[in-house]
Amino acid sequence: GDSVTQMEGPVTLSEEAFLTINCTYTATGYPSLFWYVQYPGEGLQLLLKATKADDKGSNKGFEATYRKETTSFHLEKGSVQVSDSAVYFCALTLLTGGGNKLTFGTGTQLKVEL
Amino acid sequence: NAGVTQTPKFQVLKTGQSMTLQCAQDMNHNSMYWYRQDPGMGLRLIYYSASEGTTDKGEVPNGYNVSRLNKREFSLRLESAAPSQTSVYFCASSGRGLESGTDTQYFGPGTRLTVL
Repeated sequence: GDSVTQMEGPVTLSEEAFLTINCTYTATGYPSLFWYVQYPGEGLQLLLKATKADDKGSNKGFEATYRKETTSFHLEKGSVQVSDSAVYFCALTLLTGGGNKLTFGTGTQLKVEL
Repeated sequence: NAGVTQTPKFQVLKTGQSMTLQCAQDMNHNSMYWYRQDPGMGLRLIYYSASEGTTDKGEVPNGYNVSRLNKREFSLRLESAAPSQTSVYFCASSGRGLESGTDTQYFGPGTRLTVL
């Protein structure tokens, strides 16, 4: 079945450090890929997405490129801030007649310190 | 627009009690979903409704029932709560139609349920 694997956390960085959170996937067909972010005590918010190979999703300084050859969608940010502290989820969906069922990774907690 | 709303925000139940979690969306979306979030396991799909009038099981449906009341509302019912159902429950919605290609899901704020 479809699955998403992302690096375990927590990841602890100093402010202005470079961030990479790895995500790889297994899917039949051609999925759309997403990064969602969950701030403490809140629901999930879409951070960025990519719908086909070599697409780059970007938002709020975060980027991720859909790499079909390595089945990866790694999240990066050049300079993190304390306000980026949250849990980040990688996910995929295959658009089918039964709606868009999302398959999530287990989440990676990011802590950014001053 | 309020987006996706859920009630209640918090709930404590005793084993064997029943309750219904309510979800509503005002984005005219066709599809709605219920997930549970447990530590170290990410989000797992309980049930979904691809369109008004249809519901289907997800990955972990046992112990739950759902009702798609109309296009806006999708409720989740626990008939006889068990401690294993202690979790955070999220409702989500997506899409204005399969032909639109819109596949982003929008999530509600969650319901934190504890079963004693």
